[in-house]
Amino acid sequence: EAGVTQSPTHLIKTRGQQATLRCSPISGHTSVYWYQQALGLGLQFLLWYDEGEERNRGNFPPRFSGRQFPNYSSELNVNALELEDSALYLCASSLGRRNTIYFGEGSWLTVV
Amino acid sequence: GESVGLHLPTLSVQEGDNSIINCAYSNSASDYFIWYKQESGKGPQFIIDIRSNMDKRQGQRVTVLLNKTVKHLSLQIAATQPGDSAVYFCAENSGGYQKVTFGIGTKLQVIP
Repeated sequence: EAGVTQSPTHLIKTRGQQATLRCSPISGHTSVYWYQQALGLGLQFLLWYDEGEERNRGNFPPRFSGRQFPNYSSELNVNALELEDSALYLCASSLGRRNTIYFGEGSWLTVV
Repeated sequence: GESVGLHLPTLSVQEGDNSIINCAYSNSASDYFIWYKQESGKGPQFIIDIRSNMDKRQGQRVTVLLNKTVKHLSLQIAATQPGDSAVYFCAENSGGYQKVTFGIGTKLQVIP
């Protein structure tokens, strides 16, 4: 069974541009989470989607947004990119609430 | 806000020795705890979990201990191997809206 898959693996963007990252959860999982992991820092919670709805949001500006599609896949959009947005963006999924979260391998975003 | 193990200590152990990685959490409402292993450049991998109604849980070569009185979590790895070298995160889950908080982690270095 496939795990959480993310694309692209690496992405290089220029400051001010927009980035779109994609995630496919484990089959059957309805909850999708996005985390940012900047170099040397812990995992910072970005967004949680469940059944197509945004359920919770971390302490990030509105230029970080996303959505969850009917097939439970998700995308994360980052607008007006800033240099400090350079990080590993991790997607995770779980079988509904309060269940173990399983992570993908992440998408490396570099803003130059 | 809540915090889980914000410092990134490094633990160096000899191959074959046992490793103990500690984690302090601050939210007494947390009732589910997970340990993850993150190898360089990869996403976090689930290791073992424990619910707050338990004090101890064992897996293959790993044991998690939970002390709710002092809000402390530990991961014990028996007969540490070079492949165990990674950063280990503890995470706490509190609240019905799937609030999961991660620490920065502990880097485990296994000396051959």
